[in-house]
Amino acid sequence: QSVLTQPPSASGTPGQRVIISCSGSSANIRSNTVNWYQQLPGTAPKLLIYSNNQRPSGVPDRFSGSKSGTSASLAISGLQSEDEADYYCAAWDDSLNGYVFGTGTKVTVL
Amino acid sequence: QVQLQESGPGLVKPSETLSLTCTVSGGSISSSSYYWGWIRQPPGKGLEWIGSISYSGSFYHNPALKSRVTTSVDTSSNQFSLKLSSVTAADTAVYYCARQEFYYDSSGHQKYFQHWGQGTLVTVSS
Repeated sequence: QSVLTQPPSASGTPGQRVIISCSGSSANIRSNTVNWYQQLPGTAPKLLIYSNNQRPSGVPDRFSGSKSGTSASLAISGLQSEDEADYYCAAWDDSLNGYVFGTGTKVTVL
Repeated sequence: QVQLQESGPGLVKPSETLSLTCTVSGGSISSSSYYWGWIRQPPGKGLEWIGSISYSGSFYHNPALKSRVTTSVDTSSNQFSLKLSSVTAADTAVYYCARQEFYYDSSGHQKYFQHWGQGTLVTVSS
């Protein structure tokens, strides 16, 4: 059972803004940086956001991350059909002394 | 550009040991900036971190799997490996290897997976 909780699904029409939440605790999100991964169907996960709000080279600025206390969020602005995927938050957990992934959110473009 | 490729049996019998190797190309495994990790994903389910190991052999393992997991690194071959003992059907999953950035900066400790292998499906069945 994951220690990072995400809504199972989110959806929007093309062009809309979608926000995905990630709820954790003092041992993980409050104490460490948050990362986000995008997993397109049938492919390996791809790093989308690291260090709470940093985008790796090549990731569109439509994707943005933020963190406050024990929660984090991923925002997708100008939603596009190719954004239809599963999204996972992740962070180091000091209590478990290990890396934890969120439960995952499936984004559907209507 | 670094690339990672998993290899190993696609079918393992219950109670036996699952063994996978990840071959790293396009970069050296011997860097203090990285750990080398294993992540798995059961069919239709989410991601689960299994463990990470440095080139020098320092490691972290998922507490939920700790007693069954062994990780190792072979710098001469630029490979690292995973062994998971006493497997059951619950260990059926796609197994990914990945490079974990592992450093400290002004924002804090950075530990994220930027480069991933394509994944390999391991089925546990008799």
